[in-house]
Amino acid sequence: QQPVQSPQAVILREGEDAVINCSSSKALYSVHWYRQKHGEAPVFLMILLKGGEQKGHEKISASFNEKKQQSSLYLTASQLSYSGTYFCGTEISPGANNLFFGTGTRLTVIP
Amino acid sequence: DSGVTQTPKHLITATGQRVTLRCSPRSGDLSVYWYQQSLDQGLQFLIQYYNGEERAKGNILERFSAQQFPDLHSELNLSSLELGDSALYFCASSVSGGGDTGELFFGEGSRLTVL
Repeated sequence: QQPVQSPQAVILREGEDAVINCSSSKALYSVHWYRQKHGEAPVFLMILLKGGEQKGHEKISASFNEKKQQSSLYLTASQLSYSGTYFCGTEISPGANNLFFGTGTRLTVIP
Repeated sequence: DSGVTQTPKHLITATGQRVTLRCSPRSGDLSVYWYQQSLDQGLQFLIQYYNGEERAKGNILERFSAQQFPDLHSELNLSSLELGDSALYFCASSVSGGGDTGELFFGEGSRLTVL
């Protein structure tokens, strides 16, 4: 039930853009995105619900293709503070809110 | 500070032993989730409780058990510990989980080392 993320790691220079992908073999009710900085707890970024509703950060965008069970997180004009590991979490049972997370994408932004 | 409190922060024990990890959720949150994070496995969902009742189970071993008490704090019990159980154990809480979807708030984690 664990979703697959790609790429596993990416290095960017400040100002560059990145896309992180997440795909599942199961039908999804929602996709959640979290960022974890080294030595810290994961922090919520956004939720994409089946039907198009989104909840979360204004500066981060994402898409959710319900038919393909795929989601992508778009990071534009990256800043040093964007560095961390990004996890997508998938919700299979509507409203249960228990998430199965991917193995993560390590993003490093360099000056 | 997410408002979720986990104790202890660090724990070192020996194989075969039993430990208990404790989690106090944010005030007002009814759902508690336990996750295991090891280097090569990412965040593995273990179990969820909602208002005292078990709501969902993930990849939780039979040697592990959990419960949520009337005051909504939760405990994760790990027994017959093996070297492979060494990991960071996160607790998260949310208002949601009883029929709606929402943000998870993670605690700082309990790092367990089994020697």
